[in-house]
Amino acid sequence: ETGVTQSPTHLIKTRGQQVTLRCSSQSGHNTVSWYQQALGQGPQFIFQYYREEENGRGNFPPRFSGLQFPNYSSELNVNALELDDSALYLCASTQTGANYGYTFGSGTRLTVV
Amino acid sequence: DAKTTQPPSMDCAEGRAANLPCNHSTISGNEYVYWYRQIHSQGPQYIIHGLKNNETNEMASLIITEDRKSSTLILPHATLRDTAVYYCIVIISGTSYGKLTFGQGTILTVHP
Repeated sequence: ETGVTQSPTHLIKTRGQQVTLRCSSQSGHNTVSWYQQALGQGPQFIFQYYREEENGRGNFPPRFSGLQFPNYSSELNVNALELDDSALYLCASTQTGANYGYTFGSGTRLTVV
Repeated sequence: DAKTTQPPSMDCAEGRAANLPCNHSTISGNEYVYWYRQIHSQGPQYIIHGLKNNETNEMASLIITEDRKSSTLILPHATLRDTAVYYCIVIISGTSYGKLTFGQGTILTVHP
């Protein structure tokens, strides 16, 4: 079985620009979550998607948005990038209703300059 | 979700058991204890989880106290590759609202 894959692995953007990060869930998983991890900190929950709808959101502004597609892959979009958005963005998937943990991807390192 | 408390750092000699404690005194009856670890520059990795019984898998053992207010993750024979940040997380499992709240975790350093 394949794990969670994220693209790109690294990205540099300019303040004010928009960015789209992509995630392919592990086979058989129907739920995907996104996390932001600043340097030296634990991951912070951004939001979660189940059956193509957002069903949980952390303390992030509306310029952070996402999509989940019928094949359970997902996108994270961030508009009007700020310097503080520089972080590692992690995608995680699981099978809702199943009693096991989330599988995380290796993340996308976003640098805003 | 219940809050967890972990020591900021621990050391362990290679080949010895690493015992990582976690306090979760406000845990409720339907909340599970999950452990993840994050090796430098990688995404977190699921290790093990439990409700009230002790659990063991190929990676580790999880010991949960009878009152469920604390738990210990045991790596029976630590290797250098086990050097990582270990996170203890309490969450209602099996739901679609699976927000994982990561604290600062415990930095485990395994020495040769």
